[in-house]
Amino acid sequence: KAGVTQTPRYLIKTRGQQVTLSCSPISGHRSVSWYQQTPGQGLQFLFEYFSETQRNKGNFPGRFSGRQFSNSRSEMNVSTLELGDSALYLCASRGQETQYFGPGTRLLVL
Amino acid sequence: AQKITQTQPGMFVQEKEAVTLDCTYDTSDPSYGLFWYKQPSSGEMIFLIYQGSYDQQNATEGRYSLNFQKARKSANLVISASQLGDSAMYFCAMREGPNFGNEKLTFGTGTRLTIIP
Repeated sequence: KAGVTQTPRYLIKTRGQQVTLSCSPISGHRSVSWYQQTPGQGLQFLFEYFSETQRNKGNFPGRFSGRQFSNSRSEMNVSTLELGDSALYLCASRGQETQYFGPGTRLLVL
Repeated sequence: AQKITQTQPGMFVQEKEAVTLDCTYDTSDPSYGLFWYKQPSSGEMIFLIYQGSYDQQNATEGRYSLNFQKARKSANLVISASQLGDSAMYFCAMREGPNFGNEKLTFGTGTRLTIIP
C-alpha cells in the first residue's frame, strides 16, 4: 500500500497570504489528522476529519481550517499568514490502532 | 501538567548497545494508547510501536520493545542492538479515550538519539 502523501513538500509564502496544503491518506483510511510542528511549541494537534466531518479540533485560531473530500483526501488552509505559522505541517491517517504520518509540508513565511 | 514527559533531551549511545528512552504520561482516562515515533532529519514521523492501556503484555516490534509500567505511568522504549540508522528524534505520544473516536495525539518534547560508531 502506498503511504500518506502530502503536497507540496516545501512552500515559501509572505505574510498576509493564504496557503492550502493537501494530504492523501493511505487507501482505505477514513480519518485524517493534521499537526503543526515548530521548534518552540513542538508537535501540536490541529484537527481531525472523518467521513468529511471535522471530529476534533485543537487550540488554533480560526485562520486555520480544513476539509475532507469524499475520497478521504484532506486539505488544510491557513489564511492571513503570520511569521509564526512557519512550521512543518504533518498529516496522518488512521489505521487499525495507530496513525501513520506523511512526509510533511515545510512552510516558510517571510 | 504535562501529559507526556520525556526527560532526556539528548542521548549518545555506542553502536550495537541497547538504549532505553524514557517516557512518563499523565491521564485519568482508563482507556488510552501509547505510541513511539521516530523522526529522522527528513521530517517524516515513522511509527515504531503501540501499547494499549489494557494490553497485558509489553509490545514488541523487531528491535523495538515498549517497557509498559502502568502503575508508574511509564512507557519506555527499548532499542536493542542500536544501529547508525537509529540516529534520529524519538517522540512518545498518547491518545486518550477509546480506540476509535478521538484521534488527537499528545506528544512529548522528544529525545534526540545519536549513535556513535
